[in-house]
Amino acid sequence: GENVEQHPSTLSVQEGDSAVIKCTYSDSASNYFPWYKQELGKRPQLIIDIRSNVGEKKDQRIAVTLNKTAKHFSLHITETQPEDSAVYFCAATLNNNAGNMLTFGGGTRLMVKP
Amino acid sequence: DVKVTQSSRYLVKRTGEKVFLECVQDMDHENMFWYRQDPGLGLRLIYFSYDVKMKEKGDIPEGYSVSREKKERFSLILESASTNQTSMYLCASSYGTFARSPLHFGNGTRLTVT
Repeated sequence: GENVEQHPSTLSVQEGDSAVIKCTYSDSASNYFPWYKQELGKRPQLIIDIRSNVGEKKDQRIAVTLNKTAKHFSLHITETQPEDSAVYFCAATLNNNAGNMLTFGGGTRLMVKP
Repeated sequence: DVKVTQSSRYLVKRTGEKVFLECVQDMDHENMFWYRQDPGLGLRLIYFSYDVKMKEKGDIPEGYSVSREKKERFSLILESASTNQTSMYLCASSYGTFARSPLHFGNGTRLTVT
C-alpha cells in the first residue's frame, strides 16, 4: 500500500549545527506535507507544512523542501538548540483504504547536545 | 487555542475487558481522529469521523470501534482488549478538508493490557 518512509530514525547533533530529516512517499497525487514535533511526554504539534504548489517554505530556523518529481521532502533545522530535541514526524496525504488520508512516517528522534 | 482533552492519561486493563477511551474537543471541529503511536511505526490511523454519527475505517481498525454521538466527542472502544493493543492512543481534531488541515492532538492515553 501507499506509505511514507522517514530517515534517519535517530539523529544526534551538536548545538548550533544543522539537522536534516528526509521523507519519501509513494503516491504521486499527494499534495499536503506537514511536519509535527513531539517533545517528551507531550502531544505532537504542527511546526510547518507545505503544499504541492510550492518547492520550499521557511519559518525562522526551520524550512521544508519538496521535490515532487522524486517524491521526497525534507525538514531542515538550522542553528539547533537544546529545545529542538524531540521526535519529529513527517506526513503526506496518501490515497489508501480510507480514501485521501494523512499518513505519517515512523518518526525521527533528534537529540541536540549542548 | 484548540483544546483536545482525553479522559485518561494512563489506563491499565486486563485481557478481554471492554475499554472506552474518550476524547472531547472544544473548537467545533468537524473531523476527529484516533491514532495509535508505537515506536518506529509513527502514528497509525485507527478510525476517523467527519461528522456526527459518521465513521470511517483508517489503516488499522481491527479490534476497535468508535462512536460519535455529539460533534465534540469521539470515543474509541476496544471490544475485547488484547495485549497487542498495549500502546499510546492519540485523539486529534481538525476543521475543513481533513487530509489538508492541521491536526490538533490530545495529550494521549497510555493503555497497558495485561
